[in-house]
Amino acid sequence: EPEVTQTPSHQVTQMGQEVILRCVPISNHLYFYWYRQILGQKVEFLVSFYNNEISEKSEIFDDQFSVERPDGSNFTLKIRSTKLEDSAMYFCASNDRSGPQHFGDGTRLSIL
Amino acid sequence: GESVGLHLPTLSVQEGDNSIINCAYSNSASDYFIWYKQESGKGPQFIIDIRSNMDKRQGQRVTVLLNKTVKHLSLQIAATQPGDSAVYFCAEPPNTNAGKSTFGDGTTLTVKP
Repeated sequence: EPEVTQTPSHQVTQMGQEVILRCVPISNHLYFYWYRQILGQKVEFLVSFYNNEISEKSEIFDDQFSVERPDGSNFTLKIRSTKLEDSAMYFCASNDRSGPQHFGDGTRLSIL
Repeated sequence: GESVGLHLPTLSVQEGDNSIINCAYSNSASDYFIWYKQESGKGPQFIIDIRSNMDKRQGQRVTVLLNKTVKHLSLQIAATQPGDSAVYFCAEPPNTNAGKSTFGDGTTLTVKP
């Protein structure tokens, strides 16, 4: 069964550094998402992306965040200047027009 | 604002027993719900979904019930197994295809051998 894949599985970064999290959504999906989950808390929506533009974003997704689909297969989340509170699991998801969102196994981001 | 939430943060059952995990939602216009299972170190995994034109939907060992009158849904797992131990979320997918899913807090299911 096709799946969403994310790399790296764990990223350790110094505070203030830029980080790029990578995702390969399911190939025939058109809608892409990033969520985050702080340890012990619920999954929180960050941003959705369709037709090469952001469709919706939450208040968490401020100017330090950006997303890009640089080619036909990858979907990336960039954090420009990381803060300690950015430490979390980041999940990528994708879906087709009518189906449920399918999630990757996440990237654990640790900010030191 | 609108929300989905779960009644109990934890549930412990004996292997072989049936499990029932509950979820309440506040938006009476919601018409589609999904249950996800999240194992330790993994992303949410789709289990089953239900649309508002149905009261019940069955999968393999799982049943979802939707009560629109009281805005409540439940996930029933038959003959619970150790592999069912995980955090279970109900989620309300977006009204549009590219909108956010809203997740509940999650119930941690522990299956005792």
